[in-house]
Amino acid sequence: NAGVTQTPKFRVLKTGQSMTLLCAQDMNHEYMYWYRQDPGMGLRLIHYSVGEGTTAKGEVPDGYNVSRLKKQNFLLGLESAAPSQTSVYFCASSVGGRAGETQYFGPGTRLLVL
Amino acid sequence: GNSVTQMEGPVTLSEEAFLTINCTYTATGYPSLFWYVQYPGEGLQLLLKATKADDKGSNKGFEATYRKETTSFHLEKGSVQVSDSAVYFCALSEAAGNKLTFGGGTRVLVKP
Repeated sequence: NAGVTQTPKFRVLKTGQSMTLLCAQDMNHEYMYWYRQDPGMGLRLIHYSVGEGTTAKGEVPDGYNVSRLKKQNFLLGLESAAPSQTSVYFCASSVGGRAGETQYFGPGTRLLVL
Repeated sequence: GNSVTQMEGPVTLSEEAFLTINCTYTATGYPSLFWYVQYPGEGLQLLLKATKADDKGSNKGFEATYRKETTSFHLEKGSVQVSDSAVYFCALSEAAGNKLTFGGGTRVLVKP
């Protein structure tokens, strides 16, 4: 099992450019999440999905869109990148949505927006 | 809303020293509590968790007890090693989606 994988590992964008971050999991998990990590602020939830074809907003959704067309994949899109979106992005998955379930994290994508 | 507060780092220790990282939380209900660890260049991985009051989570020599009366979940280890150098995150989740709320993270550096 590869667990949770993320593509790409690192990317540099210019302001206004668009890109898609890919998250894939091979654990047959229902729930998937996108977080961003900024210094001193921990991780903050951007969007999440409770199953194939569903998405929902998290704490900081503005400027991002997501899609879950296949159960194993969760895509995070930036339509028009801004310097404020410079961050490290982590994808995670869990079996279900009960409180207390472990979330499994990918290795992260470091994004720099100039 | 929910929030998690943990001590700021960095915390610098010598090998075999005792480690404590304080974590307190605010939640509307009865959350589950977690400690995640992030080693350099890696993603987060679960270190331990507790799902109800007075539960003790433990793993790799680390322990934390869910204290409802003080809304705390402090992380402790009796004798740290260089390999424990990492960033430690306290987090909570409540029902309805298992969304995690994280503290700001505490960087720990253990010197030989």
